[in-house]
Amino acid sequence: DTGVSQDPRHKITKRGQNVTFRCDPISEHNRLYWYRQTLGQGPEFLTYFQNEAQLEKSRLLSDRFSAERPKGSFSTLEIQRTEQGDSAMYLCASRRTSGRRGDNEQFFGPGTRLTVL
Amino acid sequence: AQSVTQLGSHVSVSEGALVLLRCNYSSSVPPYLFWYVQYPNQGLQLLLKYTSAATLVKGINGFEAEFKKSETSFHLTKPSAHMSDAAEYFCASTHSGGYQKVTFGTGTKLQVIP
Repeated sequence: DTGVSQDPRHKITKRGQNVTFRCDPISEHNRLYWYRQTLGQGPEFLTYFQNEAQLEKSRLLSDRFSAERPKGSFSTLEIQRTEQGDSAMYLCASRRTSGRRGDNEQFFGPGTRLTVL
Repeated sequence: AQSVTQLGSHVSVSEGALVLLRCNYSSSVPPYLFWYVQYPNQGLQLLLKYTSAATLVKGINGFEAEFKKSETSFHLTKPSAHMSDAAEYFCASTHSGGYQKVTFGTGTKLQVIP
């Protein structure tokens, strides 16, 4: 168990460019979540995958955002035509489906910090 | 709908003093509650979680929290602060049903003064 990993850790881009982030969850975790955290705020839910199916998207996820989890393992989050307001930390979390009550902890990756100039 | 409110965006304590970080939840059904810690430019690490088994929950690094339904609170405490406790702390909640996305509070930055 090597934990949730995210790549890159930092990304600086110019407004209007496209960026893509990758998340590798803990192996055998079938549930994967993306969150966005802006300065001085707590993380906010963006989207959720169960295996390869994207089952929920927040209204925060505008049409410039797209997320995939093609084989039910790693996931990518793409932002097209970036805007300065997209500058934030993007966090990925994963967990397994468990029948045990209370076994519901999400494990977070270190995040990708995006700066849009 | 669920929400979490953290009282105090910044808390300062002296090294060795009691740490108390406040969290109140709002939920139509009993929630699961968590406290996470975040160090600068790092992800979130789980300190402890409440899952309705016991109202007093002990976590890592000497932290504990008590679930009080009558007060809808889940305050985080530590008897004696260490310099290494300086970080940002997030209270969070989720439910047993649905997709179990986590709702976070706005965070409390803890400063420990030597």
